[in-house]
Formats: sequence, C-alpha cells, structure tokens
Amino acid sequence: GAVVSQHPSRVICKSGTSVKIECRSLDFQATTMFWYRQFPKKSLMLMATSNEGSKATYEQGVEKDKFLINHASLTLSTLTVTSAHPEDSSFYICSARVGRTNYNEQFFGPGTRLTVL
Amino acid sequence: SQKIEQNSEALNIQEGKTATLTCNYTNYSPAYLQWYRQDPGRGPVFLLLIRENEKEKRKERLKVTFDTTLKQSLFHITASQPADSATYLCALDSSGYSTLTFGKGTMLLVSP
Repeated sequence: GAVVSQHPSRVICKSGTSVKIECRSLDFQATTMFWYRQFPKKSLMLMATSNEGSKATYEQGVEKDKFLINHASLTLSTLTVTSAHPEDSSFYICSARVGRTNYNEQFFGPGTRLTVL
Repeated sequence: SQKIEQNSEALNIQEGKTATLTCNYTNYSPAYLQWYRQDPGRGPVFLLLIRENEKEKRKERLKVTFDTTLKQSLFHITASQPADSATYLCALDSSGYSTLTFGKGTMLLVSP
C-alpha cells in the first residue's frame, strides 16, 4: 500500500517557539493532503485541507496564522505551529489522498507527538 | 447538529468470536462511509469503504454493512484474533465530497 511518512515522530519544545512537521507521500503523488490533531481518547479533528500549489482550507476555529500549512509539491506538505503554547500539545497526523473525492481512501502518516513545555 | 456515535466503552471478546462494532450518525447524508483501524500512538489505517448504494462489503474476515435508513453502519470481524485488538474508527464524508469526519472510535480487546 501507499506509504506516508511524518517527521519528526516526537518533538518537545519550549513555549513560544515554532515547530515544523513534515508529511511526505513516499511512493505516490498526493493530490490532497490533510492535517488532523487528536487528543487522548478523542476523535481525529480535521484542521485543514491542502491541495498542491494552492492555499490550505482551514476548518472553523483553526487559526491559519498559528498553524501554517505549505504544500509545495505533490509529495510534501508541512505544518508549522507558530509560537507554540502548552495547549497546542497534541498528536498531529497528516494524511494524503490521490484524487479529490472521498471515494479515494486516505493514507495516514504515523503521527507526530508535540509536547510544549 | 451533525453527530457520529461509536460505542465509547471498550468491547471485550474472546478469540475466535465475531466482534461487531456500531457506527451511528445523525444529520448526515454521506455518500460513503469508511472504517479505519488505529493502534496506540499510530496513524489510522484504512480498512474498508462502502458506498450509500451498497448494503454490504466484505474483505477477508471483515464485513461492513451500511443502512442509510437506520443511519447506521456495522463492522464485523469474524474469527477474531488478539492481533485484531485496536481502536476502530468510522468516518463519513462531509462537506459534500472532499473531507472526512471521524467518530471517536471503539476499542476492541480480543483475549486469547
């Protein structure tokens, strides 16, 4: 099956710093990439949808200036958490999809555990 | 408001039995419904997709049903094994076609 990687898998940072998380589709070109966050024992919450070469579409309540998404190529999307605070600590997961409809499955990365001190 | 409900209580079953997980939804008219498996500290893994005009879908030991009248999907694992222990998530398409909304998932524990 298709493989999606994320880097780093874990990151600990101080409050006020920025953290960049990379999401790569390793053996396919992803038309669309998604960024989710997941709190313990909670469902995945979609943060934003990004299509290669265009601006990301953010879900309601997600601050686009805080969570910067760049989707520069068909195999790479990045999420930058700017001026991170302890409440941003969470499990961030990306997924990639070929095609623009939900008939195409999403392939998920292994996730990045962010801890902000 | 839109809701997706999965049993929050963990489902404990014995090896060899059939596990049945439920996904109920309200105020959605999904064209597709997907099931994923998630292990602790990992991203979800796609299992099955079923379309609104399909009643049932099978893949090896997995079976999914989709009842758009009851607004419910059932996910079955037959001849369950301890390796099937994980959290299972259902997901519906939302915003018409392009994004998925996930339920909270149900944890399945299969004991030997």
